[in-house]
Amino acid sequence: AQSVAQPEDQVNVAEGNPLTVKCTYSVSGNPYLFWYVQYPNRGLQFLLKYITGDNLVKGSYGFEAEFNKSQTSFHLKKPSALVSDSALYFCAVRDGNTDKLIFGTGTRLQVFP
Amino acid sequence: DSGVTQTPKHLITATGQRVTLRCSPRSGDLSVYWYQQSLDQGLQFLIQYYNGEERAKGNILERFSAQQFPDLHSELNLSSLELGDSALYFCASSVLADHYNEQFFGPGTRLTVL
Repeated sequence: AQSVAQPEDQVNVAEGNPLTVKCTYSVSGNPYLFWYVQYPNRGLQFLLKYITGDNLVKGSYGFEAEFNKSQTSFHLKKPSALVSDSALYFCAVRDGNTDKLIFGTGTRLQVFP
Repeated sequence: DSGVTQTPKHLITATGQRVTLRCSPRSGDLSVYWYQQSLDQGLQFLIQYYNGEERAKGNILERFSAQQFPDLHSELNLSSLELGDSALYFCASSVLADHYNEQFFGPGTRLTVL
């Protein structure tokens, strides 16, 4: 069965510093991986996806993610964090048999001024 | 703004009641998904419709049902409500029903069962 794990409930980073939000996956077959962000009282916003090709995927708001097949990871990164990046981040994998998204438990990112 | 709309934004009701949540997908999107977000279960897939037909079912209770209409909007019906049904219900849509296209989420309906 497909699954993703987000090992950190919360990540704290100072504004201007690089940030990493971790995600590891377990799939049978090709992994189709996604990152979403959820701001308070809002829906989920799509950030980026990995389907195939280049291991470094660029997305919205300056975010990027690195796909690593040997480590089965898909970590979300940003070179310089902003206070406005503070939100809940979800990693997700597409189910192999259906189109549904299987989400991780979420990581709360807190960027301090 | 994702282009997916959901109504109502908030819903407060009592145990045993029935409610209907409505979703309008982005223009041109044929596939609609329903998800439930709760503190104890996280984000869980409930059901998917594609061009009016049910395509996949997840952890959806028998008390819950959904449909997609010819104009592609979808409704999620929740009946015999219990306290544990209190959650945020999201609708998402995508162009096709495949592995490649991202899903765009609506703002959600917050259901409170008292």
